[in-house]
Amino acid sequence: EVQLVESGGGLVEPGRSLRLSCTASGFKFGDYAMNWVRQAPGKGLEWIGFIKSAPYGGTIEYAASVKGRFIISRDDSKNIAYLQMNSVKTEDTAVYYCTDLQFYYYMDVWGKGTTVTVTS
Amino acid sequence: QSVLTQPPSVSGAPGQRVTISCTGSSSNIGTGHDVHWYQHLPGTAPRLLIYGNNNRPSGIPDRFSASKSATSASLAITGLQAEDEGDYYCQSYDRRLSAVFGGGTKVTVL
Repeated sequence: EVQLVESGGGLVEPGRSLRLSCTASGFKFGDYAMNWVRQAPGKGLEWIGFIKSAPYGGTIEYAASVKGRFIISRDDSKNIAYLQMNSVKTEDTAVYYCTDLQFYYYMDVWGKGTTVTVTS
Repeated sequence: QSVLTQPPSVSGAPGQRVTISCTGSSSNIGTGHDVHWYQHLPGTAPRLLIYGNNNRPSGIPDRFSASKSATSASLAITGLQAEDEGDYYCQSYDRRLSAVFGGGTKVTVL
């Protein structure tokens, strides 16, 4: 069964850091781009960023709202994608979803999400 | 303000047909990038509903269909059911902003 499981969410103070993990199973992780999407309370879905697979150069792109603060990486030996969240702000409070990213930039498989709450 | 514009809400009675529009621009849908649609039901993770403008993943009923024109797209739900109540998002790729979502449309079954 193809599955993505996010972990690492929780409470964090403004200005601090948090790292989310996305553990994949049921597919050849190294062949796929991985992607992060979030949904703030009462808001819609917001794309955060993606990391392409090694055959496609491992290219990483970020949304303007997180560029310079968030870092996406992957460990293909462990089938895990990461979202390093630095200098977090209250507006980063959201449910964070990990997804795959297919060739034509659509998101086929979604994790159930992990909640991040930024509060002092 | 989302790059892709969707109506905030649509509603219909059970069995009716509803449509959701997604309006983009020459930097996203208008460049030929595909439009994809997602269903987000309460308490669940979003689910891919339509990919590549008009293709349904396995398991998605044929009550859901979509189309794309120059700088816009639309999703149609025919034979509306109570279980369809939730939020629907279009998504594409923008040459300046990368992946982008619409603001979402809440579907209410009357």
